[in-house]
Amino acid sequence: EDQVTQSPEALRLQEGESSSLNCSYTVSGLRGLFWYRQDPGKGPEFLFTLYSAGEEKEKERLKATLTKKESFLHITAPKPEDSATYLCAVQGFRGGKLIFGQGTELSVKP
Amino acid sequence: SAVISQKPSRDICQRGTSLTIQCQVDSQVTMMFWYRQQPGQSLTLIATANQGSEATYESGFVIDKFPISRPNLTFSTLTVSNMSPEDSSIYLCSAATDTGTDTQYFGPGTRLTVL
Repeated sequence: EDQVTQSPEALRLQEGESSSLNCSYTVSGLRGLFWYRQDPGKGPEFLFTLYSAGEEKEKERLKATLTKKESFLHITAPKPEDSATYLCAVQGFRGGKLIFGQGTELSVKP
Repeated sequence: SAVISQKPSRDICQRGTSLTIQCQVDSQVTMMFWYRQQPGQSLTLIATANQGSEATYESGFVIDKFPISRPNLTFSTLTVSNMSPEDSSIYLCSAATDTGTDTQYFGPGTRLTVL
């Protein structure tokens, strides 16, 4: 069964304190792994798509990496505005359906 | 990317009634999806809305409870029928543009409370 597990469930950082979020997955033929950011009361906002092991993508203070079993979202020198829930999702070889993890709630204090 | 809007943004409904949620995309898209996000939970796919044919439902979701329409390439509706308090959730629409990347863009969601 396809499954996504994110850790930690919650992460509290001081402004400027770098860290990483983990997304472990099992899927029958990975078509893509997706990272989203979700603010309270809003829909998920797309961040990255990763397709193959070894791939990396960056956007401002965020960097996503992918291996055959997991993905990491690295946050460098975070700011309070980076506070949100970060969701990881995988898509199997048939496409379409996204399978989401439970998310990591990130809080960055000034 | 795609810009997606949903109506209503929130509603409070009585048990046994039905609510129809609208989803509008700013460009033509091949695939549209409906997800549910229950309180404190992550997103679960309800169904894929197919243009010109019946929706494809995931295990645990049935057409009688969640009828879906997809009259054209920019619009879809989801109806939550005969509601109970267990249907209280956020309902999200997403769309995948024809860029070959399979990236899904999400609407802002509809927060439904059933009393």
